[in-house]
Amino acid sequence: DAKTTQPPSMDCAEGRAANLPCNHSTISGNEYVYWYRQIHSQGPQYIIHGLKNNETNEMASLIITEDRKSSTLILPHATLRDTAVYYCIVSFHGSGNTGKLIFGQGTTLQVKP
Amino acid sequence: NAGVTQTPKFQVLKTGQSMTLQCAQDMNHEYMSWYRQDPGMGLRLIHYSVGAGITDQGEVPNGYNVSRSTTEDFPLRLLSAAPSQTSVYFCASSYSSRVGLYEQYFGPGTRLTVT
Repeated sequence: DAKTTQPPSMDCAEGRAANLPCNHSTISGNEYVYWYRQIHSQGPQYIIHGLKNNETNEMASLIITEDRKSSTLILPHATLRDTAVYYCIVSFHGSGNTGKLIFGQGTTLQVKP
Repeated sequence: NAGVTQTPKFQVLKTGQSMTLQCAQDMNHEYMSWYRQDPGMGLRLIHYSVGAGITDQGEVPNGYNVSRSTTEDFPLRLLSAAPSQTSVYFCASSYSSRVGLYEQYFGPGTRLTVT
């Protein structure tokens, strides 16, 4: 399984965009980049995923570099409720997938008023 | 939809006791799994199931049993509780297709303390 590297913590002002980086230099061609977050004591919550194109949904945008070795999760207008640990995960999306998600230490995002 | 539900929310066990953590989902997901999360750590996969009647081990299966008799339910059984099993347990489910799994939905967790 490919590994990811994320900064341990980041701060963001409420209402501003939060840009969370992730390095995944050993990602293979059939692995997707997933982002989940975990708000204190709750179960992880899926945010977004992508293969090589940029993706956007109602929660966030995902920018993946052309060489796929890194990505950035963007929360366009962070609120206090976005304070959480954010996990960047790479996972094989093919048949026979165990579904195992390797959760590293993630990035603790603190949104401040 | 209730999504993924887990019971109980909290449990205290004595060493050597056994118990079953319940997990149910109403999304008709084929894939279900159990993770544990120790303080300050990421989640680790215990067991998973790709459909009714099919289960397999994850990375930390020792001390736990699972069964999947229906699509909706995936209980996790602790055979003989040990203090090292003190943790928060999360159940997850996902839609799957021929090409693989999609986003996983997690339950609220069961906080287990073994004394």
